[in-house]
This record gives sequence, structure tokens and C-alpha cells, in this order.
Amino acid sequence: DTGVSQNPRHKITKRGQNVTFRCDPISEHNRLYWYRQTLGQGPEFLTYFQNEAQLEKSRLLSDRFSAERPKGSFSTLEIQRTEQGDSAMYLCASSIWGGGTEAFFGQGTRLTVV
Amino acid sequence: GENVEQHPSTLSVQEGDSAVIKCTYSDSASNYFPWYKQELGKRPQLIIDIRSNVGEKKDQRIAVTLNKTAKHFSLHITETQPEDSAVYFCAASPDDMRFGAGTRLTVKP
Repeated sequence: DTGVSQNPRHKITKRGQNVTFRCDPISEHNRLYWYRQTLGQGPEFLTYFQNEAQLEKSRLLSDRFSAERPKGSFSTLEIQRTEQGDSAMYLCASSIWGGGTEAFFGQGTRLTVV
Repeated sequence: GENVEQHPSTLSVQEGDSAVIKCTYSDSASNYFPWYKQELGKRPQLIIDIRSNVGEKKDQRIAVTLNKTAKHFSLHITETQPEDSAVYFCAASPDDMRFGAGTRLTVKP
């Protein structure tokens, strides 16, 4: 499968625990995005990378959220001290270059905080 | 960052009718405007896109128009079919990519 891959597909965690999600983009893609999506809403921008450089992080994102893309390939999104409001679908997307090219989405990781 | 507004939030049409979804954006640097379709439980998938040097683009029953002066763009679906039922998202990209809130389209047979 040469598409964008996200793991795990589902995660249930207790409030206060830390969670980490992984995204493997399409291999030649330099741009990688993270979004959060709640039911019936559009993808909400979280952050994006060009190769290993994190170019922007949403001002709406608390310090509990951090993302890395250490070698410019896969990326991880960590949420520390999870809260019930963090329950959502976390989507990763990649594109071959930056703005102006099609972004391909992964299947997402559905997080449920209980 | 870019701010994208999308209307309407829900749209119901009879099979065979046309559907129009409208979006506005705020950042004049935006030069790429994709539209994504998301079916229930699936990932968003690109259906059509337009760049700022073009005013209109068509692909079979789907067309997109762009007015850069007014900073708005629209998706037009003609001869709608039940399989067009889904949530549609517009996006605008100056460099990153920001999405609208989505339009749930229902096509009634």
C-alpha cells in the first residue's frame, strides 16, 4: 500500500494519560500535515512540516500537543495529559511539495478519552 | 493564518438537480483551492481543484469557479446522483492548507 498510513486506527485512553500517534506519508512526499476532525466538522489545522522542519503550529493548540518529524519521513503526534475534549479523529495528510499540490489523507486515528 | 468559511452547512436536493456550495477565504496569498469529498467513515478525497490563474475548471459533472477579487470560490455539481451524497470540504492554500467547516449534501432519489 503506497498511501498515507496512520497507526493506531483507534485508541481509547484514560483522562490524564499520554498518547502518541504515528503517520507514514507517501514516500516521496516532503509536506506533512496534521489535522483534528470532530463529527460533522471540517479538518482543523494543527501543524505542518516541510521535510523535518515544523513550519507552523496552530495557536489553538495547547502546549500538551507536540509533533515531530525527525528524519523528514514519518511523523508522530503526542498528546500529554489527555482530556475528554481531545476525543476526535486525528488525520494526517501528505503532499509532494507545499502549497498548491494535492494532499492525500490517511485513514485517521480515532481517539476516545474516557 | 488563512480563514475559510463554507456555506451552506447542509444541502438537500432531488436526484438530477444541481447543487452549489460556496466558500470564502481571507488570505490574498492563497493560490490553490481544492475540494474534498468525505463519505461516512472514510478519509477525505480530492475531487477537483483550481489554481489562482484560472477562473473556472470542469470535470464531467463537477465544476469549480474562482473569483480572486471577491475571494470566493464555488463547487457546482450538475445532474446529482444518490452516490454524490457525502460531506464536501473546500480548502485554501497560501502554503499550508486550511479547510472550511463542510457541507453535508443529501441527494434524494
